[in-house]
Amino acid sequence: QKEVEQDPGPLSVPEGAIVSLNCTYSNSAFQYFMWYRQYSRKGPELLMYTYSSGNKEDGRFTAQVDKSSKYISLFIRDSQPSDSATYLCAMSSVAGANNLFFGTGTRLTVIP
Amino acid sequence: DTGVSQDPRHKITKRGQNVTFRCDPISEHNRLYWYRQTLGQGPEFLTYFQNEAQLEKSRLLSDRFSAERPKGSFSTLEIQRTEQGDSAMYLCASKEGFDHYEQYFGPGTRLTVT
Repeated sequence: QKEVEQDPGPLSVPEGAIVSLNCTYSNSAFQYFMWYRQYSRKGPELLMYTYSSGNKEDGRFTAQVDKSSKYISLFIRDSQPSDSATYLCAMSSVAGANNLFFGTGTRLTVIP
Repeated sequence: DTGVSQDPRHKITKRGQNVTFRCDPISEHNRLYWYRQTLGQGPEFLTYFQNEAQLEKSRLLSDRFSAERPKGSFSTLEIQRTEQGDSAMYLCASKEGFDHYEQYFGPGTRLTVT
């Protein structure tokens, strides 16, 4: 069993839809949770960073962490075609986040 | 441009050949990371440096792989006697220090072993 599981999709939604992306994990030591966005032929870029359980909002993006269920989510409101990318969850047990454990990524397409 | 750069962007090599990739991190970042990403998978951690010291290596980093960061600036990743299973995207990332959580990724080097 991989430490981080993520539905690979692909996920296709119409412009303006609310998108929900999810990851589950097995290592209860994970405390630092991240979402990265990766466009085709590019490296990942950090979208959201959260510590422990709770919600964090940044513009159209909301990250949720439920440590009791070992489940994290990223919600995208009012999705735009420019949101089309692969979304990777990542997590770490250490604050400095040296060794990140990534999910497989979910490929999202937002149709105009 | 002040981002992380990697060279080459693409490399095609025959099985058994040696290849070397270079990563130039953001200049003030003292931590540098190498990841491998195969098709349809997330990046997998290979190794990281704090300045010139290599502090952690994944079990994925077999004896055929070696990484250096001789002056604490750019880094190289060498793969000896390449195998078809080495075909992947090799990503480099850098970070400012322990207290900073964001790793900044480069565009990657795509390796194809034929």
